Order: sequence, then C-alpha cells, then structure tokens
Amino acid sequence: EDKVVQSPLSLVVHEGDTVTLNCSYEVTNFRSLLWYKQEKKAPTFLFMLTSSGIEKKSGRLSSILDKKELFSILNITATQTGDSAVYLCAASNFGNEKLTFGTGTRLTIIP
Amino acid sequence: DAMVIQNPRYQVTQFGKPVTLSCSQTLNHNVMYWYQQKSSQAPKLLFHYYDKDFNNEADTPDNFQSRRPNTSFCFLDIRSPGLGDAAMYLCATSGETYEQYFGPGTRLTVT
Repeated sequence: EDKVVQSPLSLVVHEGDTVTLNCSYEVTNFRSLLWYKQEKKAPTFLFMLTSSGIEKKSGRLSSILDKKELFSILNITATQTGDSAVYLCAASNFGNEKLTFGTGTRLTIIP
Repeated sequence: DAMVIQNPRYQVTQFGKPVTLSCSQTLNHNVMYWYQQKSSQAPKLLFHYYDKDFNNEADTPDNFQSRRPNTSFCFLDIRSPGLGDAAMYLCATSGETYEQYFGPGTRLTVT
C-alpha cells in the first residue's frame, strides 16, 4: 500500500527562524511529490517535484526531492506569522490520477 | 481567473436529510476529485472522474454518490447524512501535469 509520512507532526518556532519539514514516501511507480499549504480552508498548491536534486524555489520557500532515498524537504526561511498553517505532502504515481497524502505538519510561528 | 468553485461554502443539514454539494471549474481539466477532510486529518479521496470515467474508492460508503454531467461540473450527493459525515468536502481538479488544484471547500454540519 502506498504511504507518505511527514515529520514532525507539529512544530512551533519564533518569527524569523528557518524551518525544515520532512516527507518520506513509499509509492509504487512514483511520478511526483507535491507540497500544499493549508490554512483554515482548502489546500493551496506550493510545489510539484519530479526530478531528484533540482531545487524549486518560491520566495522564502524551497523544496527538493531525493528519489534515491525517497524523501523530500520543504524549507521556509525567515518565517513569518502568515506561514502558520498545516503543510501537506502528497505523492502521485504513474497509472492513476490519485494522490496519497501525508497527515501534514502543523507549523505555528510565534511573533 | 481560472478556478475551482464550490457551493455552498457552508451547509447545514439534518440527520438523514439528503444533501448535494456542487463543484465547477473553469480550468478545463479532465480529472475532478471529491475529498472528505475531517479535523486534523489528511484529505481522504472519495471518488474521481477521468473525463466521464467514474472511479470509486473501495472504502467510500454507499451513502455517497457522485455525478459529472459535463466537463465543468461535478456533484457530491449524500443520500442520508449521519453525524459522522460532518466534515469539509473538497473538490479538486487536475490536467495533464497532474497537479491538483483545490476549491475552497464546503463545510458540512449535520444536526
């Protein structure tokens, strides 16, 4: 059965700190790894990663995939209170259109 | 702007009273998904359509049905809602790149 595991489950840091969120996966016929941010509403898309070692970056957020070790990290530098959210990681595989989600990391930024 | 729209945003129904949630998209994506998300849990896939091909998850209760009359619209019918069906219901779409884009969700309360 396909599985995605995120760690830590929750994280509390002070504004300005840098955080790293982890996602490991075991997925048959892996296609891509996706990161979403979810505040008190629907998940919003952050990144999709398909190739190992190529960093994707958007402002203070960046992410990278390691297909050999089967994990991805999401980095957030100079955190702000608006970064407080649940960050979901999901994996897709070839052969179907579905995503397998992890349970998320709840990030809280203290002013 | 191209987007995924869900109506209503909040729905209150009585125990056992049928309810229909709607989703529309202007992205012209061929895949549409319905997820159920309960508090502090990852989204759980209920169904998805690849064009008109309906795909039901094995553990989706029979109480849940779906219709996709055309590319733009998809409906979730809950025939006899129970208290355990109270949740956020998320619609998502994906196109050729398989990134899923979520609508704002419908929060269902069952009284």
